[in-house]
Amino acid sequence: IAGITQAPTSQILAAGRRMTLRCTQDMRHNAMYWYRQDLGLGLRLIHYSNTAGTTGKGEVPDGYSVSRANTDDFPLTLASAVPSQTSVYFCASSDSPTGNYGYTFGSGTRLTVV
Amino acid sequence: AQSVTQLDSQVPVFEEAPVELRCNYSSSVSVYLFWYVQYPNQGLQLLLKYLSGSTLVESINGFEAEFNKSQTSFHLRKPSVHISDTAEYFCAVRRSNSGYALNFGKGTSLLVTP
Repeated sequence: IAGITQAPTSQILAAGRRMTLRCTQDMRHNAMYWYRQDLGLGLRLIHYSNTAGTTGKGEVPDGYSVSRANTDDFPLTLASAVPSQTSVYFCASSDSPTGNYGYTFGSGTRLTVV
Repeated sequence: AQSVTQLDSQVPVFEEAPVELRCNYSSSVSVYLFWYVQYPNQGLQLLLKYLSGSTLVESINGFEAEFNKSQTSFHLRKPSVHISDTAEYFCAVRRSNSGYALNFGKGTSLLVTP
């Protein structure tokens, strides 16, 4: 089934540890995004990538980094996790560089930093 | 900057009753608006979108939304809800920067009871 695969599904992480959240899509979509979802705050954009080899910062990029070595993969790395990064993380993709066709979302990664 | 405000955080409604979920937008450029639905422990799914043309847009499961430029609104409606419509609903507007990513509202929790 075509879509987005996120891993892990959930994780408990000690503060200060490094963690990479994986995101893979098989739809050959050019644009990919990372959002975090927090209760009462909705979804906030962390980083985005319009095409392989390019990335950009969203509204809450601090403490996170991304790479886009190929079309299919868009990993999100927390270099040194802090409790405020406890959240549900969603990866999304779009087959339109303008985003007009809407997003396909993964099922999310629930991360708890202790 | 493009943003949306969802005016209700929770909307309780009885089964088979009509419902309206309110969304106002703010944008100084052409507006592209979306509604997404999130069922428990899942990612978001596109419900409907307004890009241009007819101001009334419909989804396959009976929801509709009307783009109202004079009132800067994009409210979501359904004439008769089902228990299965219980979910979180997010209004979103496309940015003009940041890779045309979407800005999401904080969400409205729709609870349908018998």
